[in-house]
This record gives sequence, C-alpha cells and structure tokens, in this order.
Amino acid sequence: EPEVTQTPSHQVTQMGQEVILRCVPISNHLYFYWYRQILGQKVEFLVSFYNNEISEKSEIFDDQFSVERPDGSNFTLKIRSTKLEDSAMYFCAGGGSGTDTQYFGPGTRLTVL
Amino acid sequence: AQSVTQPDIHITVSEGASLELRCNYSYGATPYLFWYVQSPGQGLQLLLKYFSGDTLVQGIKGFEAEFKRSQSSFNLRKPSVHWSDAAEYFCAVGAPGTSYGKLTFGQGTILTVHP
Repeated sequence: EPEVTQTPSHQVTQMGQEVILRCVPISNHLYFYWYRQILGQKVEFLVSFYNNEISEKSEIFDDQFSVERPDGSNFTLKIRSTKLEDSAMYFCAGGGSGTDTQYFGPGTRLTVL
Repeated sequence: AQSVTQPDIHITVSEGASLELRCNYSYGATPYLFWYVQSPGQGLQLLLKYFSGDTLVQGIKGFEAEFKRSQSSFNLRKPSVHWSDAAEYFCAVGAPGTSYGKLTFGQGTILTVHP
C-alpha cells in the first residue's frame, strides 16, 4: 500500500536558521497539505497546495513559511528564519481531491533551540 | 468557522471493555467527518470517515462511528478494546464544497488500556 513519507524524522536547528522539511506524497494525489502539532496542542492546518500554487493558508503561515513542489514528486515546507515557537511536529498530507480523504505522513519533529 | 470538541482528554479502559470516544462539531451544515488514530511516534492513520448516507459507518480495526445531526456528534465506538488500541484519537471535520479540503481537528483523546 502506498504511503506518504517525510524526511527527516527529527530536525534540530538553531533559532534564526532556515529549515526545509520534505515530503513525498502518494503519486496519484493532487492536493497537498501541511499541518503542525505543537506538543500538547491540536493538529493545526498550515497550508494547502494544488496545481503548483497555494490554495489556502492559515494565519500561522506567514512570510517566514513557503511551500513548493519543485520536481513533481517532493513537496517541501521551508521556514526561513526559525523561532522557538516553531518547534512542533509537522505533518504532510495528500488527497485525490479536495474533499476526499487525506493521507498523512509520519511527521517531522522540529526542535528549535 | 468550523470547530471540533473532544470533551475527554484521557480515557482509561480495561482490555475487553467497550469504548466510546466523544466528538462534537460546530458547522453550519453537514460536514465531512473523520476519525484518525496516532500511535506513539507514528503519523495519523485514518480509522473511518463519513461523507453522506448511512449514519453508522464502519472503519478499520473494528471501530465504528455514528453521525447524529441533532446532537452535532460523531462518536467513535468499539465493542471490545484490545491492548493495541492504546493511542491518541483525533476527530476532524472538513467542509463540503470547498475544493481544498482543510481539516479542523479536535484536541485529541488519549486512550489507555489496562490488561
């Protein structure tokens, strides 16, 4: 059964550094998402992506965040200048259509020191 | 705006006992409803979903959920819990008619299973 994969599983970085989180969605999916879960809190929507552009983004997704799908397979989330409050588990998800089921990856735990 | 409430942060049951995890949502119409499970160190695995039709839906691992429009609820049930069911369970809603399918999650319920 195809799965969503994410790398790395754990990323430790210094405050102010740039990080790139990578995701390989299931190959026939068209819609892609990033969510995050701060420890002890809800899973929160960050951004959705379709047809090589952002479809919707939350208030959390400010100018420090960006997403792209550079080669038609990888889907990346970049944080330009990390803050302590960016420490969280980041989940990538994909779906066949916008209102269909979303399949989640295992997550990347980002720790900002 | 849609929202989800899972009233129980932590539930403990004995193996073999029945289970019900509560989920209440707020949405102007009938949303799409999901239950996901997260085991330690794992991602979110879909247990079941409701889009329309029969209000009692069956999922994987012996779970079922019932959509009750009058109560704005989508409670998850299992008749006999196994030790391997210990995990965190998330209820989520999506808005039909939006092309991009953003999900709104509840805060999760941690299930502990005693032998």
